[in-house]
Amino acid sequence: GESVGLHLPTLSVQEGDNSIINCAYSNSASDYFIWYKQESGKGPQFIIDIRSNMDKRQGQRVTVLLNKTVKHLSLQIAATQPGDSAVYFCAENIHQTGANNLFFGTGTRLTVIP
Amino acid sequence: DGGITQSPKYLFRKEGQNVTLSCEQNLNHDAMYWYRQDPGQGLRLIYYSQIVNDFQKGDIAEGYSVSREKKESFPLTVTSAQKNPTAFYLCASSLGTGGTEAFFGQGTRLTVV
Repeated sequence: GESVGLHLPTLSVQEGDNSIINCAYSNSASDYFIWYKQESGKGPQFIIDIRSNMDKRQGQRVTVLLNKTVKHLSLQIAATQPGDSAVYFCAENIHQTGANNLFFGTGTRLTVIP
Repeated sequence: DGGITQSPKYLFRKEGQNVTLSCEQNLNHDAMYWYRQDPGQGLRLIYYSQIVNDFQKGDIAEGYSVSREKKESFPLTVTSAQKNPTAFYLCASSLGTGGTEAFFGQGTRLTVV
């Protein structure tokens, strides 16, 4: 899994299998979390978000789980497809004086093997 | 279509030169951000702006400058004081109220030659 400050971890999965990407966040006061997908040479794209008053949220083929006790976030991708190959980032929303800023983890590179 | 546009996509700079990266959004977002991304690394915050005519330093502001004269525009200048400017630069915008996603541009890859 990823955590702020570590070099890019990688995950390889067979096409059709489920993928789980993990993220450890840093600030216990963070109240909003987002998963982004970034393809090579492009900007990150929103996948799914979750607020701190929830522990699970589902989208199309994706599920985000939030464990506030251990400050852990995961992204589950069902039936992984070659088009899912990308770098995945988690981001936490941290309230700072006069601002709300997103802070990103290092990312996890997902490679789908056909 | 609403969105956020960065230009140019690729930029080459000679050592000692200042260069300005453009970022424009038509999403009517109050907040705009600049991030730097190095190979195999996450995104690091350079500068952010919550409203027009106001901006704040992020984690790695040294060697960079910004302006926010219009709501739609948040240009980033990479100055000669930035010792290692070669990187992928990403601009983003959001409603700025917290608890909302940020929308990203497609990035500018800056290379020092």
